[in-house]
Amino acid sequence: QVQLVESGGGVVQPGRSLRLSCAVSGISLSTHHMHWVRQAPGKGLEWVAVMWFDGSRQDYADSVKGRFTISRDSSKNMLYLQVNSLTAEDTAVYYCVRDNSGFDIWGQGTMVTVSS
Amino acid sequence: DVVMTQSPPSLPVTLGQPASISCRSSQSLVHSDGNTYLGWFQQRPGQSPRPLIYKVSNRDSGVPDRFSGSGSGTDFTLKISRVEAEDVGVYYCLQGTHSWTFGQGTKVEI
Repeated sequence: QVQLVESGGGVVQPGRSLRLSCAVSGISLSTHHMHWVRQAPGKGLEWVAVMWFDGSRQDYADSVKGRFTISRDSSKNMLYLQVNSLTAEDTAVYYCVRDNSGFDIWGQGTMVTVSS
Repeated sequence: DVVMTQSPPSLPVTLGQPASISCRSSQSLVHSDGNTYLGWFQQRPGQSPRPLIYKVSNRDSGVPDRFSGSGSGTDFTLKISRVEAEDVGVYYCLQGTHSWTFGQGTKVEI
């Protein structure tokens, strides 16, 4: 059974950093692209970042480029999102998602609140 | 960047009646590999998005056959043949041909 479990969210002050984690079970990270998608309170879905299946490439939304970094540890089957220089606009639920020619498996999300 | 425009933003529906949501992209979603990466998702309040359709017209596992997707190029449609009470929620389209972009969502309510 494929399962994605996010963690690492919380309340953080503007300008600070967090590392979000996604524990992946039932699949290998090296077989599918993996994404982070976020959703601000009461708003729509926003694609954030992707890690290509072979680890060769990472891409980011313009809104987070230069501040967020996606990475993985294949030995632990973990996906990460390092989020730096946080602003109030980064307040959202962050979802880890598998891409299987479509976003077919989603985690439950981890909430990040940026507030002083 | 590709812009995805959904309409309508809000869709009042009647139980047992059909419903339709439109999604238009600012450029063709036909990938160089020949596929069209357009998907649909349902999100109920307090839940993670649920995949419904991938590559325009393929239903995800466990999705009732009252949901169907169609379209090509820049114009795509999600149809519900007979709306049930559990179909209430927000629906999103997603393109994955030119990076990834979601539509702004359509709220389906009884």
